[in-house]
Amino acid sequence: GDSVTQMEGPVTLSEEAFLTINCTYTATGYPSLFWYVQYPGEGLQLLLKATKADDKGSNKGFEATYRKETTSFHLEKGSVQVSDSAVYFCALMDSSYKLIFGSGTRLLVRP
Amino acid sequence: SQTIHQWPATLVQPVGSPLSLECTVEGTSNPNLYWYRQAAGRGLQLLFYSVGIGQISSEVPQNLSASRPQDRQFILSSKKLLLSDSGFYLCAWSLSGTGEAFFGQGTRLTVV
Repeated sequence: GDSVTQMEGPVTLSEEAFLTINCTYTATGYPSLFWYVQYPGEGLQLLLKATKADDKGSNKGFEATYRKETTSFHLEKGSVQVSDSAVYFCALMDSSYKLIFGSGTRLLVRP
Repeated sequence: SQTIHQWPATLVQPVGSPLSLECTVEGTSNPNLYWYRQAAGRGLQLLFYSVGIGQISSEVPQNLSASRPQDRQFILSSKKLLLSDSGFYLCAWSLSGTGEAFFGQGTRLTVV
């Protein structure tokens, strides 16, 4: 069945460091891919998405590119801020609208 | 604008008692609806999803069931709760074609 695998955390970075959170998926067909973020004390919210191969989703300085050949959707940001500290979830939605999530990666950014 | 309501926020139930968690969506029609369980330090486990009234897909065989009696209403139920049913339950909705999901505030269920 469909699945999403993302790197375990926590990831601890200093402010202005480069961020990469790895995400790979297994799915039949061509799913849509997402990154959701959960800030402390808040609910999940969409960060960015990509709906087909080679699409790049971007928002708030974060980027991720849909790589069909490596079945990956890694999240990157060039310079993280303390306010980026949160839990990040990679997710996919297949053609039947089933939406499944990875296990989440906690990011802690130190000043 | 669209809103999602999930209740109750917290619930303490004895083992063997029934469960009914309700989720309703306002401001849209024919949404896709989802129930998830989020364990501490872990991701979201998809329990059920529905693309229409009476259409329920079950992802994990367990002690729970789901129903969609109306277009914008999604109910999670159990006839007899187990200790292992304790957790944080989230309802979500999305529209076909956009993919973006919107989440309720969640229900913290403790089975004692």
